[in-house]
Amino acid sequence: GDSVTQMEGPVTLSEEAFLTINCTYTATGYPSLFWYVQYPGEGLQLLLKATKADDKGSNKGFEATYRKETTSFHLEKGSVQVSDSAVYFCALSDRGNTPLVFGKGTRLSVIA
Amino acid sequence: EPEVTQTPSHQVTQMGQEVILRCVPISNHLYFYWYRQILGQKVEFLVSFYNNEISEKSEIFDDQFSVERPDGSNFTLKIRSTKLEDSAMYFCASSSDRSGYTFGSGTRLTVV
Repeated sequence: GDSVTQMEGPVTLSEEAFLTINCTYTATGYPSLFWYVQYPGEGLQLLLKATKADDKGSNKGFEATYRKETTSFHLEKGSVQVSDSAVYFCALSDRGNTPLVFGKGTRLSVIA
Repeated sequence: EPEVTQTPSHQVTQMGQEVILRCVPISNHLYFYWYRQILGQKVEFLVSFYNNEISEKSEIFDDQFSVERPDGSNFTLKIRSTKLEDSAMYFCASSSDRSGYTFGSGTRLTVV
């Protein structure tokens, strides 16, 4: 079945450091890919998405590119802030009938 | 911006009791979902609902669980005879076309 694998956390970075959180997927079709963010004590918020190969999703300085050849959707940000501290979830939705499938989440802590 | 509303935000119940978690999806959405996140673990799919019936459910969604859309606006998850291991954050989500999920802020269920 479909699955998402993302890098284990936690990740601790200094403010203004470069962030990469790796995400790879397995799917039978051509899924849509998502990054969700969960700030402390809050629910899941859509951060960005991409619906087809080579699409780049971007929001709040975060970017991720849908790479079909490597089945990856790595999340990047050039300069993280303390306010980016959260848990980040990679997810996919097959265009067929499968519901959203999440990775295990990566906790990011940014220190000043 | 339209949002998915979940109530209550936190529910404490005694083991063996029944609980009903409530959700108001976005009004023009057609697909509804429940997910849960046990503390520190991944977000897991429970059930999807479309056209007034369950369209898919996971292994977690056994006879202890049921969903209902009683009045055309609310979408409820009922858990009968709660167990300690049902303690989790329960997220409701809705979408119009399976590519744009919107999640609620969650209900934290604590079974004591």
